[in-house]
Amino acid sequence: KNEVEQSPQNLTAQEGEFITINCSYSVGISALHWLQQHPGGGIVSLFMLSSGKKKHGRLIATINIQEKHSSLHITASHPRDSAVYICAVTGGGADGLTFGKGTHLIIQP
Amino acid sequence: DAGITQSPRYKITETGRQVTLMCHQTWSHSYMFWYRQDLGHGLRLIYYSAAADITDKGEVPDGYVVSRSKTENFPLTLESATRSQTSVYFCASSTRGMSSYEQYFGPGTRLTVT
Repeated sequence: KNEVEQSPQNLTAQEGEFITINCSYSVGISALHWLQQHPGGGIVSLFMLSSGKKKHGRLIATINIQEKHSSLHITASHPRDSAVYICAVTGGGADGLTFGKGTHLIIQP
Repeated sequence: DAGITQSPRYKITETGRQVTLMCHQTWSHSYMFWYRQDLGHGLRLIYYSAAADITDKGEVPDGYVVSRSKTENFPLTLESATRSQTSVYFCASSTRGMSSYEQYFGPGTRLTVT
């Protein structure tokens, strides 16, 4: 079973700061997903990637397959970015998505 | 409205009762999933379905039953609810297998078993 670890578990930052959330996994995968969960509970898929880098607006996701590591970056952070960010992986011999426990991000104005 | 919906959004039930959580999607996605989210565990896969009449167990299937007679619906039944099944349940769908395409999540059902 793939073990997915995220760090940090909690992060509080000031508006405008550059944010980095890390995800590491133990077994080779076919894809890695970054999800966002807002305080209301809804879950939204931000990225799905299997190599390299993807960018959507102020969000950037990178993955290093050899090191089994991914990062999610937020540039010019804003209070509306406050949410739980969840890393999940597929493949590695397991059925379905295997999730990290999430990073709780708070951006203060 | 198009999308993926879950009902009910909130449910309180007693230990031993049967409960069915509904999930409906309008995209004709072939894959559908049920997850539960618990503090300390994060999200875990309960069951998934690759197509109508095809279902398979995930990480934590015990105590749950699923069916999928129509592509758009994927109900989850707790045959005899237990307190350990108190959780938030999310349904999701995808156009392809879990490793190939992103998943779209429903709004969740908060279930409390007393």
